[in-house]
Amino acid sequence: QVQLQESGPGLVKPSETLSLTCTVSGGSISHFYWSWIRQPPGRGLEWIGYIHYSGSTNYNPSLKSRFTISVDTSKNQFSLKLSSVTAADTAVYYCAKDFRVAGSSDNWFDPWGQGILVTVSS
Amino acid sequence: SDELTQPPSVSVSPGQTARITCSGDTLPKKYAYWYQQKSGQAPVLVIYEDSKRPSGIPERFSGSSSGTMATLTISGAQVEDEADYYCYSTDSSGNHRMFGGGTKLTVL
Repeated sequence: QVQLQESGPGLVKPSETLSLTCTVSGGSISHFYWSWIRQPPGRGLEWIGYIHYSGSTNYNPSLKSRFTISVDTSKNQFSLKLSSVTAADTAVYYCAKDFRVAGSSDNWFDPWGQGILVTVSS
Repeated sequence: SDELTQPPSVSVSPGQTARITCSGDTLPKKYAYWYQQKSGQAPVLVIYEDSKRPSGIPERFSGSSSGTMATLTISGAQVEDEADYYCYSTDSSGNHRMFGGGTKLTVL
């Protein structure tokens, strides 16, 4: 069974770049889509974007274009970078498998990583 | 605009039926999905494609969708079902993903 694990710093200073990695175990990252989702403390879920193992990406148009998602198939990992962070970026960041049925534009997220809390503070 | 709207809270007594709604203009054409998130934990998929239940999810969880509204029903809610529930779907283009604002279910 596929499992995901987020890793990265728990504290980032304002204006710096947040970098997180999601390691996929129990299965290959190839042939699938993978997403990042975040949740500010006490608030709801917000989809950030997805990446296909081939490297193609798609981002939430409601977010400013500070996010970059990349993939490293040799390490079975995908990553998230967020530049120029502010306190508003403080959140639990989740990675998840972006599951799709062939020929359908519908998708769902399953499974999820346990999440990592990233706090933006000086 | 493409968005999903949920009631902030629902409260039931143990053994009663809890119904959580999710409304959105894209739902007539797009599936709804439901996630359960217990305090301090990652979300867990409880319903996919409007009404299908993943393996391991209790039978008391069911889903339906009609027109612009999807509904998560928990028949005979139990104390352990207390959680935040989020509906999820894609926008009309199918390229972007959106969650509802979440519903806090209280069972007491």
